[in-house]
Amino acid sequence: GENVEQHPSTLSVQEGDSAVIKCTYSDSASNYFPWYKQELGKRPQLIIDIRSNVGEKKDQRIAVTLNKTAKHFSLHITETQPEDSAVYFCAEGNFNKFYFGSGTKLNVKP
Amino acid sequence: DAGVTQSPTHLIKTRGQQVTLRCSPKSGHDTVSWYQQALGQGPQFIFQYYEEEERQRGNFPDRFSGHQFPNYSSELNVNALLLGDSALYLCASSPGTGVSYGYTFGSGTRLTVV
Repeated sequence: GENVEQHPSTLSVQEGDSAVIKCTYSDSASNYFPWYKQELGKRPQLIIDIRSNVGEKKDQRIAVTLNKTAKHFSLHITETQPEDSAVYFCAEGNFNKFYFGSGTKLNVKP
Repeated sequence: DAGVTQSPTHLIKTRGQQVTLRCSPKSGHDTVSWYQQALGQGPQFIFQYYEEEERQRGNFPDRFSGHQFPNYSSELNVNALLLGDSALYLCASSPGTGVSYGYTFGSGTRLTVV
């Protein structure tokens, strides 16, 4: 449960393009997978989450997919905007604690 | 409705000293978890408090200890500070101990050990 790998570490896209961030985990008992957005100097904020009994979830321009067999999940942001620029963290939830990935710094160029 | 509040926002301590960080959970939340976020890294779980007891602990030494009060607020104490303890310390509250309740994070306390 302590090994969540997140890729890429940095991602630069043009405004309007899509961005995809991927995470893999190791503990098959994990059942909750949130994504957090952290702007510079601010708190992490939950942007979307998915539970293990669901394969995909969408909220406007943001979607998350989960493949439990392969133990990976991904964040998809479409029609990116400059205000999407931030560090994004995936997390693996197991019982009562989270293991976080190392973060992806997303830069959306206007 | 106030969210999670942490104090102080910034703190500078000398190596070997002790520090206490404070957290007030969001209204309606009874569970407090503490995380350490080193620069450029994801948060790492320190421990979780519920019903005034430590319920689970991450891979942190005994120098890290905590407390939860009857009003659900919590303190994180770090003794014998090391330079490597410099980090952003995040408090997260939730309306239960399970991860699926969802966390609300505070803005954190930036600790610098010199």
